[in-house]
Amino acid sequence: QVQLVQSGAEVKRPQSSLKVSCKSSGGSFSSYAVSWVRQAPGQGLEWMGGIIPISGTSNIARQFQGRVTISADEHTSIVYMEMGRLISEDTAVYYCARGYYSNYLGSAFEIWGQGTMVTVSA
Amino acid sequence: QSALTQPRSVSGSPGQSVTISCTGTRSDIGDYNSVSWYQHHPGKAPKLLIYDVTKRPSGVPDRFSGSKSGITASLTISGLQTDDEADYYCCSFAGSYTVFGGGTKLTVL
Repeated sequence: QVQLVQSGAEVKRPQSSLKVSCKSSGGSFSSYAVSWVRQAPGQGLEWMGGIIPISGTSNIARQFQGRVTISADEHTSIVYMEMGRLISEDTAVYYCARGYYSNYLGSAFEIWGQGTMVTVSA
Repeated sequence: QSALTQPRSVSGSPGQSVTISCTGTRSDIGDYNSVSWYQHHPGKAPKLLIYDVTKRPSGVPDRFSGSKSGITASLTISGLQTDDEADYYCCSFAGSYTVFGGGTKLTVL
């Protein structure tokens, strides 16, 4: 069965950059959209963006455009989320999640990674 | 790209039913049937309960059901159990982006 395994917790300085990985194992990778969703302390879930690896088609939420890049490596079955110019408000748990349907960025999120805690602090 | 609107909290007793509403706009819930619901226990990854407004993934009990009317989607949980106490989020596709609701805390009294 498909599993998503994310990279480990990170502590970052303000204005630095972050790169979180999400490795898929146990099933098809390239045709299913993978999105990134974050949850700041005491806040709700926030969709950041997603990508379909086989086509490279991606969407990024407006509030993250210009600061977040989502990419995929089909050879290693890894999706990456890079975020620049970090601020304290970016402190959150970051999840990757795979879509239920193939080739559809609007699909519900069926499979989730375990989450990566990112702390931004001086 | 505003968040969908959910009540902050709902509550019910074991065995009862509760319904959580999720109001969007014509650009998201009103225009797409890609509405989903998630159960989130603190410290764990969210779990998909409902997709495509009314469908349940394999393994999700039929106590959980979804519906939609216009720009409002709803999640109904019947036969409440203590383990249902969690945060619940609705989510909708909107063409070029996806948006979550603010979340509803369900307390099972």
